[in-house]
Amino acid sequence: ELKVEQNPLFLSMQEGKNYTIYCNYSTTSDRLYWYRQDPGKSLESLFVLLSNGAVKQEGRLMASLDTKARLSTLHITAAVHDLSATYFCAGRMIKAAGNKLTFGGGTRVLVKP
Amino acid sequence: EAGVAQSPRYKIIEKRQSVAFWCNPISGHATLYWYQQILGQGPKLLIQFQNNGVVDDSQLPKDRFSAERLKGVDSTLKIQPAKLEDSAVYLCASSPKQGRTDTQYFGPGTRLTVL
Repeated sequence: ELKVEQNPLFLSMQEGKNYTIYCNYSTTSDRLYWYRQDPGKSLESLFVLLSNGAVKQEGRLMASLDTKARLSTLHITAAVHDLSATYFCAGRMIKAAGNKLTFGGGTRVLVKP
Repeated sequence: EAGVAQSPRYKIIEKRQSVAFWCNPISGHATLYWYQQILGQGPKLLIQFQNNGVVDDSQLPKDRFSAERLKGVDSTLKIQPAKLEDSAVYLCASSPKQGRTDTQYFGPGTRLTVL
């Protein structure tokens, strides 16, 4: 069974500084997703990482995947208030029935001025 | 393109009552998922449909939860009878049959409070 752990659970950021969220998973996963969730809202897809060494960037967010270390990171560059949200990573086991995703517990991000 | 639609958005019931949630996926999406998200946690998959067949319901508490997807489009999730621990947001998601990434697109969710 795939287990996904994120840390930290909560991240208080200062505007303009850089931060990283870590996502560790327990067994081989063939793809890794990052989602964003604003309070009271649903999940918005940010990135899908398909292979070892994959790196994707969108604005101030950059996600990477190291399948050997079973680790994905979400790096935030020069944080701004608009990035305040909860970020989830989710993995899919290789050959999983259908497309079952296992989510981490989330990292709540609060960017302060 | 219209997103995943869910209703109702909020529901408050007493324990032991029944409740049903409805989901309309993105047009053309063959796969539909129901997730339960308890406050402060990540979503947990309850059931997955491919067209109108069940692919995975291993984490669905079948003694009280049921789901169906008639004609491979809309889906309903029912809880009967509800318990206090069922208080959560129920998220519906869909993904296209074809597609390398199989990204799941989520609806706004139904927030259930069981008193």
